[in-house]
Amino acid sequence: DGGITQSPKYLFRKEGQNVTLSCEQNLNHDAMYWYRQDPGQGLRLIYYSQIVNDFQKGDIAEGYSVSREKKESFPLTVTSAQKNPTAFYLCASRNTGGNYGYTFGSGTRLTVV
Amino acid sequence: RKEVEQDPGPFNVPEGATVAFNCTYSNSASQSFFWYRQDCRKEPKLLMSVYSSGNEDGRFTAQLNRASQYISLLIRDSKLSDSATYLCVGGNDYKLSFGAGTTVTVRA
Repeated sequence: DGGITQSPKYLFRKEGQNVTLSCEQNLNHDAMYWYRQDPGQGLRLIYYSQIVNDFQKGDIAEGYSVSREKKESFPLTVTSAQKNPTAFYLCASRNTGGNYGYTFGSGTRLTVV
Repeated sequence: RKEVEQDPGPFNVPEGATVAFNCTYSNSASQSFFWYRQDCRKEPKLLMSVYSSGNEDGRFTAQLNRASQYISLLIRDSKLSDSATYLCVGGNDYKLSFGAGTTVTVRA
């Protein structure tokens, strides 16, 4: 079955560490997205990519970095510059060129310890 | 101003009741609209797209009012399993914006 896979499900980060969250999709979707969700709040866009080797900053890109070397993969690195990284991170993909919604992965819960 | 705004609720309704809620969007150029459902500590899942003429999917009805820039969701004959947070989504081809969600609790 086609889908979008995020790993790990839970991640613990020490102060000053960089960590990378994985996102892989086999839906052949062109566009991929990273969102952050804090308790009781909506989704905020971190980065998005419409095609391979290209990506744009979202509303809260500071302290994060991404790459899009393959159509299927869009990993997110949470750097030590992100001062409040504890959150639920959601990766999504979507076909463009029409009225298509997002398909989400099951998310990664990141906690700073 | 946020691009998409929703009444956070909560809406507490008995089983079998009808519940409806709206969301407003600020970007008049938005072309695509959706309702997503999110259960506690889970990822959002697409409930339905919203079309200009309005559309129905079983007990769920979505409407779009472009003049007033809002979309609505109506749930008929509420079930316990409808308890969730409903996210309003609007945008264009390359980027969608999410509302913070409306919480619905259906009680027995």
